[in-house]
Amino acid sequence: QSALTQPASVSGSPGQSITISCAGTSSDVGNYNLVSWFQQHPGKSPTLIISEVTRRPSGISHRFSGSKSGNTASLTISGLQAEDEADYYCCSYIGDHRWVFGGGTKLTVL
Amino acid sequence: EVLLVDSGGGLVQPGGSLRVSCAASGFTFSRYWMFWVRQAPGKGLEWVANIKGDGSEESYVDSVKGRFIISRDNAQNTLYLQMNSLTVEDTALYYCAREPRGVGDLDAWGQGTLVTVSS
Repeated sequence: QSALTQPASVSGSPGQSITISCAGTSSDVGNYNLVSWFQQHPGKSPTLIISEVTRRPSGISHRFSGSKSGNTASLTISGLQAEDEADYYCCSYIGDHRWVFGGGTKLTVL
Repeated sequence: EVLLVDSGGGLVQPGGSLRVSCAASGFTFSRYWMFWVRQAPGKGLEWVANIKGDGSEESYVDSVKGRFIISRDNAQNTLYLQMNSLTVEDTALYYCAREPRGVGDLDAWGQGTLVTVSS
């Protein structure tokens, strides 16, 4: 149950687009279309922003989108805004009702 | 309004035990899988355990298997995590979360309760 691999940090300027990768294996990300993404601001509880690779919950901005290719899932944030500065975590199903998170990525809006 | 309130954290010595709770309101608790997710200080999220709505199925991360027990009281709308044989590596903020559709869509989270294991 090794953690999924995410870059430790990414950055972008307001208005730009950034992509955060989430690398797994054929036993997790590559085997199931059950990847979720969570946003966590400092001192706050996580918030769901993407489920099932591409599904955006109601109330989540269209600027957030998810995708997957092979064993790697990705989160893209377009039109970066200052409020997007936060930590982002991916999470994948690994079978038998078990789940694994990525190590997290700190997004800095320059 | 969906509300999850975590409680029961505290300071415990290595080898000790502690039970944390999550009080749920604003939804039909028994219909949902519930999760415990933890976050060590300054670190990332880690899935710990989850339990089916009727309590008939549960799963654990390998590092807590045999030491932690997840349970629920649907009459009291409360989720529990009994933690035994605690080690310093279990020090973390413990969050409960709700999963509506069984696809990892944790759409509601508690505020977390801090468990510190130290001598």
